[in-house]
Amino acid sequence: QKEVEQNSGPLSVPEGAIASLNCTYSDRGSQSFFWYRQYSGKSPELIMFIYSNGDKEDGRFTAQLNKASQYVSLLIRDSQPSDSATYLCAATGAGSYQLTFGKGTKLSVIP
Amino acid sequence: DAGVIQSPRHEVTEMGQEVTLRCKPISGHDYLFWYRQTMMRGLELLIYFNNNVPIDDSGMPEDRFSAKMPNASFSTLKIQPSEPRDSAVYFCASSFNRGGETQYFGPGTRLLVL
Repeated sequence: QKEVEQNSGPLSVPEGAIASLNCTYSDRGSQSFFWYRQYSGKSPELIMFIYSNGDKEDGRFTAQLNKASQYVSLLIRDSQPSDSATYLCAATGAGSYQLTFGKGTKLSVIP
Repeated sequence: DAGVIQSPRHEVTEMGQEVTLRCKPISGHDYLFWYRQTMMRGLELLIYFNNNVPIDDSGMPEDRFSAKMPNASFSTLKIQPSEPRDSAVYFCASSFNRGGETQYFGPGTRLLVL
């Protein structure tokens, strides 16, 4: 069974610090990885996706992928109170558009 | 561009009643996904369609759940009869094949079965 694991948190960081969110996945055939942000009572919204090993940067966000270790992470630089939300990690299976989601990590940025 | 549209946004019903949730995907998207989210189980895929055809319904919890996509712009998820354990937020998402696997979520339907 394909699984995506995340630490449920809450993860608390002070404003301006770097928040580090981690995710592991069980399916070695997984090809693509996604980070979604979900505010309380709202729907998930895509932050970033990553397909290749290494780092991918987009503004204050950096996604990191290590397929050998089956590990994905999201770094948020200069964290802001508006970043406080639950972050969902998701992975596709080989040749599939089907996403398996982790249960999410709740991030709290303290002003 | 309008995003994914879901209705109703909130539904309160009594056990045993039929519930129908509706979804309009983003125009041009050829994949449609139905998810259920609870605190205990997180976000779970129930079923997905490609070009209106159900591809994988292995996540549908039991025969009380059914989904249809009669055309490219409309899908329904039906629960009959509903039970209190069906209480959850149900999301519809859509994606565009040639745009990769990125899925765009609707606002969700909060279902409470009493």
